[in-house]
Amino acid sequence: ILNVEQSPQSLHVQEGDSTNFTCSFPSSNFYALHWYRWETAKSPEALFVMTLNGDEKKKGRISATLNTKEGYSYLYIKGSQPEDSATYLCASNILTGGGNKLTFGTGTQLKVEL
Amino acid sequence: GAVVSQHPSRVICKSGTSVKIECRSLDFQATTMFWYRQFPKQSLMLMATSNEGSKATYEQGVEKDKFLINHASLTLSTLTVTSAHPEDSSFYICSAREALADLWETQYFGPGTRLLVL
Repeated sequence: ILNVEQSPQSLHVQEGDSTNFTCSFPSSNFYALHWYRWETAKSPEALFVMTLNGDEKKKGRISATLNTKEGYSYLYIKGSQPEDSATYLCASNILTGGGNKLTFGTGTQLKVEL
Repeated sequence: GAVVSQHPSRVICKSGTSVKIECRSLDFQATTMFWYRQFPKQSLMLMATSNEGSKATYEQGVEKDKFLINHASLTLSTLTVTSAHPEDSSFYICSAREALADLWETQYFGPGTRLLVL
């Protein structure tokens, strides 16, 4: 994998459903993996930063896991609520010859319906 | 905490004019700020890294004379799109990393600026 890829591109779930998304990233030169939630017309909100293989982070109903050896991270939302509707972005910090920069995926757009 | 503002949120200009976008860290000092661009259905793409008191570092393919970046203080970076053309129409968004933060730590984002060049 050369780029950061996210799937699915979009997702519609019912209120109360649990859901998860995938972020795949290059495993070589890995430094850190970031998850953001981005609501329309607002600033992307930082959810998690993970650096170690096997890391698991949790924030309320949202949690994330990290596998740096195979290059993927999962984001889970338990009991989705309408206010969870947003685009979820992941980004990988990759060490490059020019330094360290974030490379983003295209995001997963979540719509939670009543 | 860690709020970043960006102004303006939306701008429409005529081809050939220049547009300045401001990015401010409101409650923290940012030695490093980043400028990204997003085209429809694409990911955020890093344009340049702005370091307070020094020249910006531009990503490959980004014209530094076209996109002028100034980071004169620890709370303000500006991006000026010079002689804008319709192909510069895009969504521009900045982020800031707190002073003394490690390279991998969180970048805090502004809400972005939608630029439309007629």
